[in-house]
Amino acid sequence: NAGVTQTPKFQVLKTGQSMTLQCAQDMNHEYMSWYRQDPGMGLRLIHYSVGAGITDQGEVPNGYNVSRSTTEDFPLRLLSAAPSQTSVYFCASRKQGASEQYFGPGTRLTVT
Amino acid sequence: GQQVMQIPQYQHVQEGEDFTTYCNSSTTLSNIQWYKQRPGGHPVFLIQLVKSGEVKKQKRLTFQFGEAKKNSSLHITATQTTDVGTYFCAGQKSNTGKLIFGQGTTLQVKP
Repeated sequence: NAGVTQTPKFQVLKTGQSMTLQCAQDMNHEYMSWYRQDPGMGLRLIHYSVGAGITDQGEVPNGYNVSRSTTEDFPLRLLSAAPSQTSVYFCASRKQGASEQYFGPGTRLTVT
Repeated sequence: GQQVMQIPQYQHVQEGEDFTTYCNSSTTLSNIQWYKQRPGGHPVFLIQLVKSGEVKKQKRLTFQFGEAKKNSSLHITATQTTDVGTYFCAGQKSNTGKLIFGQGTTLQVKP
């Protein structure tokens, strides 16, 4: 199993550009989440999904969209990038009923 | 909204010294999880605590969940350089609820 994979590893965007961060898992996990990590602020939940076709907002959803058309994939879309979205983004997944959450390697995004 | 506060933010210890990080929630939690993130890496699940007053051990690591299920601690006995990293607690209000992370405690260990 590859576990949770994320692409790209690094990305630089200009203000106003849009892009999609990819996340995939091959463990047939129902739950998937997106977090952003900023210095001194821990991990903040952006959006999450409890299964294909179902998504919900986390703590900091503004400026981001998600969809969950398959169990495996959970892309995160930045509609119009802003410097405040400069961060490290982590995708995570877990099996329904299980406690352990598996994180991907992260995407480091810089918006200039 | 639900908040999870974690202290201290940083801790520098000499190898062999003990280390403790504390986590406090503004609301009663269903469960609390602990993660470790090595520098440049991603968070890795360590443990979940569910019961009031629960204590669990993993080798030199001891995890506690408070009686009121609003606070938790992680204690490392006799730190080693391999313990370096950031330790996060994360609380859930229900088993299907959102996982809210604390700010993390970054541990540095001097050999």
